[in-house]
Amino acid sequence: AQSVTQLDSHVSVSEGTPVLLRCNYSSSYSPSLFWYVQHPNKGLQLLLKYTSAATLVKGINGFEAEFKKSETSFHLTKPSAHMSDAAEYFCVVSGTDRGSTLGRLYFGRGTQLTVWP
Amino acid sequence: GAVVSQHPSRVICKSGTSVKIECRSLDFQATTMFWYRQFPKQSLMLMATSNEGSKATYEQGVEKDKFLINHASLTLSTLTVTSAHPEDSSFYICSARELAGSSRKQETQYFGPGTRLLVL
Repeated sequence: AQSVTQLDSHVSVSEGTPVLLRCNYSSSYSPSLFWYVQHPNKGLQLLLKYTSAATLVKGINGFEAEFKKSETSFHLTKPSAHMSDAAEYFCVVSGTDRGSTLGRLYFGRGTQLTVWP
Repeated sequence: GAVVSQHPSRVICKSGTSVKIECRSLDFQATTMFWYRQFPKQSLMLMATSNEGSKATYEQGVEKDKFLINHASLTLSTLTVTSAHPEDSSFYICSARELAGSSRKQETQYFGPGTRLLVL
């Protein structure tokens, strides 16, 4: 069975400082992992995805994430936060285990990122 | 990237009426679409999986007669909230799965902008 744990419900950083949003996953098989961002009253936008290619994945807007199988982690980072990065971030694993619904996504609870000027 | 639209973006209706929400994949074909519900400050809750040309698969606890799903074409799925009540007020989001290549691991879901439903 798949599950995702986002360790922080809220993260606050100052503009220009690094961002770290933590995510751990549980999956019986080699997972597909995603980070999505949601701005208020908007749908979800794909930031990046891992699908068993390079373990360091680069996404849009300067974000990247590193897949670490030994730690079952997929943390999201950005070297320098911008005011426009303030949003809700979801770590997501795709159902690939046998018996799971094809393509079903399992969401973390979300991390609210606040960026201070 | 692929674009998914939803219509309407916002709807206010009276209790007891039915509301239809459309989800369209604009530049790709989607054999599978998903419907989610999101409460304030919470994550997305999967309601049902919509497969083109077949019946939707509902998650446990979701009433299929309450939330009617139709996926008549490869680019359109609709969710109808029947006899809506105030407790149905929520943010409804659809997603469409795009298959790239033959591997399941290449699949990516693209999300619509959401529909805010308010039942008075």
